[in-house]
Amino acid sequence: EIVMTQSPATLSVSPGERATLSCRASQSVSSNLAWYQQKPGQAPRLLIYGASTRATGIPARFSGSGSGTEFTLTISSLQSEDFAVYYCQQYNKGYTFGQGTKLEIK
Amino acid sequence: QVQLVQSGAEVKKPGASVKVSCKASGYTFTSYGISWVRQAPGQGLEWMGWISAYNGNTNYAQKLQDRVTMTTDTSTSTAYMELRSLRSDDTAVYYCARNLYCSSTSCYENGFDYWGQGTLVTVSS
Repeated sequence: EIVMTQSPATLSVSPGERATLSCRASQSVSSNLAWYQQKPGQAPRLLIYGASTRATGIPARFSGSGSGTEFTLTISSLQSEDFAVYYCQQYNKGYTFGQGTKLEIK
Repeated sequence: QVQLVQSGAEVKKPGASVKVSCKASGYTFTSYGISWVRQAPGQGLEWMGWISAYNGNTNYAQKLQDRVTMTTDTSTSTAYMELRSLRSDDTAVYYCARNLYCSSTSCYENGFDYWGQGTLVTVSS
């Protein structure tokens, strides 16, 4: 099974600043990587697929990069509604999620 | 608009079974697959398995394959997930999600783009 490791577990950032979240795969997943946002009591929401393609309706402040085993989600200027838990997911071989990064207000 | 509407919360005793439904609307049901994902209280997301709504092919997570069965009813555009021999650590919110679009010639994975609202399954004696 491909193991996905996210870092950090918790990230404290002020509104208006940039947030950078990392995701590492235990083996290459090519560009078969998605990012999701989840708020309390809600289902996850697809942000990015194919490592860098924004899903429909996702604001341009969200961007994804990377390939192989190292991936990054960047939120360029944090809005209040962006504070949530973020998960990466590989779909190169089966499907596995990272353990999540909680993005909290500093 | 695309919607996935799941059945309501369940309370089950250890050893029992639960069957959760996921009714799809707003798209051609047989053009996509449905994955099931669960989330234990305060924990992360765990993929449970996938079913093709086109031909019923399935792919289950190894740790659950002896206890889970996924099916679809194309006449009602509904997917089902049944989990047997329930244990306390099966207590979780269960989600269905749309993924893996297939045309007549190729399939495309663009992530889990639509999700159901979740179904809380509580396993307790």
